Amino acid sequence: DVVMTQSPLSLPVTLGQPASISCRSSQSLVYSGGNSKLNWFHQRPGQSPRRLIYKVSNRDSGVPDRFSGSGSGTDFTLKISRVEAEDVGVYYCMQATHWPWTFGQGTRVEIK
Amino acid sequence: QLVESGGGLVQPGGSQRLSCAASGFTFSSYWMSWARQAPGRGLEWVATIKYDGSEKYYVDAVKGRFAISRDNAKNSVFLEMNSLREDDTAVYYCARYDDIAEVVWGLGTLVTVSS
Repeated sequence: DVVMTQSPLSLPVTLGQPASISCRSSQSLVYSGGNSKLNWFHQRPGQSPRRLIYKVSNRDSGVPDRFSGSGSGTDFTLKISRVEAEDVGVYYCMQATHWPWTFGQGTRVEIK
Repeated sequence: QLVESGGGLVQPGGSQRLSCAASGFTFSSYWMSWARQAPGRGLEWVATIKYDGSEKYYVDAVKGRFAISRDNAKNSVFLEMNSLREDDTAVYYCARYDDIAEVVWGLGTLVTVSS
């Protein structure tokens, strides 16, 4: 199985400041189309997850433009340009290139 | 919208069948999945079924014990769980995953495996 490794696992941030989460896969996520099926999800306490980013860098509908994704191959990054209070929760990277699909361990974002 | 049902308390070694009722989209056009989240833990993708039921995929931890199926006439997807173990205890989410279109999640149903 593809192992997804996130860092850091805990991220205290100051409101209005940037934040960055790294995700590394144990094998390349590039598929025949040339893209990588790398997604980012956000889960608030007590809620179902919500996808923010698909195929590395594409924002889902309604996702604020302060969220951005980048990377290629095995190394990916989620960036929040200016953290807002509603951004707290756990962020997961998830690959859908190889079966079984796999998630990272999650990064908990909290406000300092 | 996705609404799961069928969760509850089950003894180790027992069976449980989860259902997920879909509405608001063309169910027969989408791959459907189940994911789970153990208490206080991260997300784990459990199983996925192609829109016509012709392909099914499972995480190794449930292969041979769980079976995903669907009924496109009833806009429903199911997860038959057998030989349940305590480490299967989790909130089980039904999800409509798509590479591009919105990923739709249910609210989840809790399965507790305990004697």
